[in-house]
This record gives sequence, C-alpha cells and structure tokens, in this order.
Amino acid sequence: QVQLVQSGAEVKKPGASVKVSCKTSGYPFTDYSIHWVRQAPGQGLEWMGWIRPNSGAINYGQKFQGRVTMTRDTSISTAYMELNSLTSDDTAVYYCGRDRGLLSSLKWACDSWGQGTLVTVSS
Amino acid sequence: EIILTQSPVTLSLSPGERATLSCRASQSVTSSFGAWYQKKPGQAPRLLIYDATNRATGVPDRFSGSASGPDFTLTISRLEPEDFAVYFCQQYGFFGQGTRLEFK
Repeated sequence: QVQLVQSGAEVKKPGASVKVSCKTSGYPFTDYSIHWVRQAPGQGLEWMGWIRPNSGAINYGQKFQGRVTMTRDTSISTAYMELNSLTSDDTAVYYCGRDRGLLSSLKWACDSWGQGTLVTVSS
Repeated sequence: EIILTQSPVTLSLSPGERATLSCRASQSVTSSFGAWYQKKPGQAPRLLIYDATNRATGVPDRFSGSASGPDFTLTISRLEPEDFAVYFCQQYGFFGQGTRLEFK
C-alpha cells in the first residue's frame, strides 16, 4: 500500500534551518508529485510547494520563495523540504502529501499523506 | 492569489443531521481542482472530495461535493460521530480557513 513516512520532530533555534524527509513506498516514486503543507498550532492548512520527482521541477508558494528548498533522491524514493531562517512563526506540523495526478498531470489534491513532522522554533 | 472563504466558521449539529459546508473563491476558478479534506487533531488531512464532485477512494457515500461558479459545497447527508472534525477546501495552492463541525 502507498506509504509516506516522515522524519521525526525537530527543535530549532531562530535563524536556523530544518530539513524534513518524506520516504515513500508502495508506488513508483517518480510517477507522482509531492506537495508540502504545514499547519501551525490552532491555524489552518498552508501550502508550501510541490516537487516533481521525475524531473526535479519545483513550484514554491510565494510566501516561501527564497526560504524553502524542495529536493528528492530517487534512489531511495524520498523527498525533502528544507526551510531556512526559521522564526517562531514557523513552528508547525509539516506534512508531505502525494498528488493524485500521474506524471506531469498535477491534480492539486493529495490522496496520501505522511504522518506529519512537528518543527518547534524556540530560543 | 485566490482567497477561499469557508462558511460557517463553526457548525453545531447532532449525529444523523445533514451538514452543508460552503467555500467561496475570490475569483473564478476551474472547478476541476476543487478538493475537500477532513482534519482531526494529531492526524494527517484526509482527502474526501477531488475535482469538486468526486469522492476519494474509501470515502463513504454520505459525503458529496458540488460546485457552481466560485462556490463549492461539501454535504454530509447523515452525520456519524466520527464526522465531527475540521474541514478544509482547497483550490490549487490555496486553502480555506476551515469549518469546525462540532457536536450540538
């Protein structure tokens, strides 16, 4: 079955960077785009960007441009999201999700999700 | 930028009742990419509806979606206890602020 397993919780100081991994299994990794979405405490969902594993093409949300980097390692079916210059406002649970569209057909809906990674930014 | 406004913010109902959740987009969008998610504390989002009207795999048929112009609607025909959660609509890279469905 399709599975996305994320790395564990992180505690970071303001100004630091965090890199979250999303290891996939149960389907051809390069066939489906991966989105990253976060949810701050008591807040709604916020889309951060997507990456196409087959080509490495990326699309970042305007709010995160210049501060986020999404990459992938096809040899281990894993996607990564790195966020720099962290502030307390970045404290959130970060999720990876698999787009339901096959190959380059982006459908903007995630049918499988990782379990979430809590990133806490505190001095 | 697309702003998605969900209403109501909170909906108080009882099991067995019908729930109607709305999502209005700030500009005309293609309904092809409208999605609805259910979110419970400590859990990942769960895709309910995609392409505005299609139920995701494994979603009970009491959940249905519709769309008309900038308006998207999620209807739960007969609420079950496990349906009480927060619901988010999505268009492209934008989410609504959520509707909390709570026990009356």
